[in-house]
Amino acid sequence: KNEVEQSPQNLTAQEGEFITINCSYSVGISALHWLQQHPGGGIVSLFMLSSGKKKHGRLIATINIQEKHSSLHITASHPRDSAVYICAVISGSARQLTFGSGTQLTVLP
Amino acid sequence: ETGVTQTPRHLVMGMTNKKSLKCEQHLGHNAMYWYKQSAKKPLELMFVYSLEERVENNSVPSRFSPECPNSSHLFLHLHTLQPEDSALYLCASSQGAGGSSDTQYFGPGTRLTVL
Repeated sequence: KNEVEQSPQNLTAQEGEFITINCSYSVGISALHWLQQHPGGGIVSLFMLSSGKKKHGRLIATINIQEKHSSLHITASHPRDSAVYICAVISGSARQLTFGSGTQLTVLP
Repeated sequence: ETGVTQTPRHLVMGMTNKKSLKCEQHLGHNAMYWYKQSAKKPLELMFVYSLEERVENNSVPSRFSPECPNSSHLFLHLHTLQPEDSALYLCASSQGAGGSSDTQYFGPGTRLTVL
């Protein structure tokens, strides 16, 4: 079982819909990343958070340390949001990221 | 010049070839990373360099040999690879070596195919 689980694995939405992607992890962490990977392969870091909530434009990330759970929300989704969204955690004693398998998001016009 | 660049973007090689992947960061960071992304698998960390010294090596086969000549450049030398080594190889950099406050910036990746 992967230490980092994402759901759903695949998500198709209509333009304008509110989208939620979930990430659960089983180890103690010091921080969690949300990353976006476009079809060409390049990865962009969206958020790094260790508590509470962060917002950047139409993207919102929340984390609940007690429940070992984080969510990434996209408001007013757009076809250009189509990408793979990856959750990654930094565990307390290690210095490396452990990645989830990613959520493939497709937003249809 | 954008933050983290990788060359080549695509590489096809035979199992007996020797090739190198190059990564360059223009962000003034002190740590650099090699990741492997195989089809339908999570990203896997291969190597971490901090201030040009290797600090992590996640049991990577010796056919992959990293080199970090300075804090801006990172190479991955490839020798006698196997078809299962075909993957996307991603480079990243961060200000420090993976502390909780260090965001990693990724390059576009090199798509490697081993025939």
